[in-house]
Amino acid sequence: TQLLEQSPQFLSIQEGENLTVYCNSSSVFSSLQWYRQEPGEGPVLLVTVVTGGEVKKLKRLTFQFGDARKDSSLHITAAQPGDTGLYLCAGRNNNAGNMLTFGGGTRLMVKP
Amino acid sequence: ETGVTQSPTHLIKTRGQQVTLRCSSQSGHNTVSWYQQALGQGPQFIFQYYREEENGRGNFPPRFSGLQFPNYSSELNVNALELDDSALYLCASSPGQWSSYNEQFFGPGTRLTVL
Repeated sequence: TQLLEQSPQFLSIQEGENLTVYCNSSSVFSSLQWYRQEPGEGPVLLVTVVTGGEVKKLKRLTFQFGDARKDSSLHITAAQPGDTGLYLCAGRNNNAGNMLTFGGGTRLMVKP
Repeated sequence: ETGVTQSPTHLIKTRGQQVTLRCSSQSGHNTVSWYQQALGQGPQFIFQYYREEENGRGNFPPRFSGLQFPNYSSELNVNALELDDSALYLCASSPGQWSSYNEQFFGPGTRLTVL
């Protein structure tokens, strides 16, 4: 069974601060995705990373895939209240069928 | 273009009952996946349907079953409901079989409460 562990589980920060969310596994993934979910809605895809060591930027969000494709991080610069939500990482292994494995999520609250 | 829709929004059932949840995939999408998201946790993969055939299954018992119709809409059926089945059930559609860059589009979910 492939597991993804996210840390921290909860994060409450002030507007303007920086933060990093981690997603770790002992398993190798073919690709890893980051989603953001707001209350009453389904997750919305932010990014997909495929290559070990890959870094992708989406405005103030920076995503990195570990060299061994077992871990990933999401860094947010100058967080805004609109960044508040549940951040989920999800990994897929091409050799494990069509299953997408989600982490437990990091609930972020950015206070004005 | 209509996104993924799910019905009903909320549902309350009692232990032992059966439930059917429905999902309409996004236009042009032939693949539907179902997930269970317990409170405070990440979604767990239940199964996927591609062109009306089950195309992958997670670690869920056989009382979780599904269907996909010719128009690619889908149903999730759960028999003999247990208290632990209380969760948000998410449906996601994608334009084809899995590839690394295939984006899944999630619906808003159905909140099931089992009493």
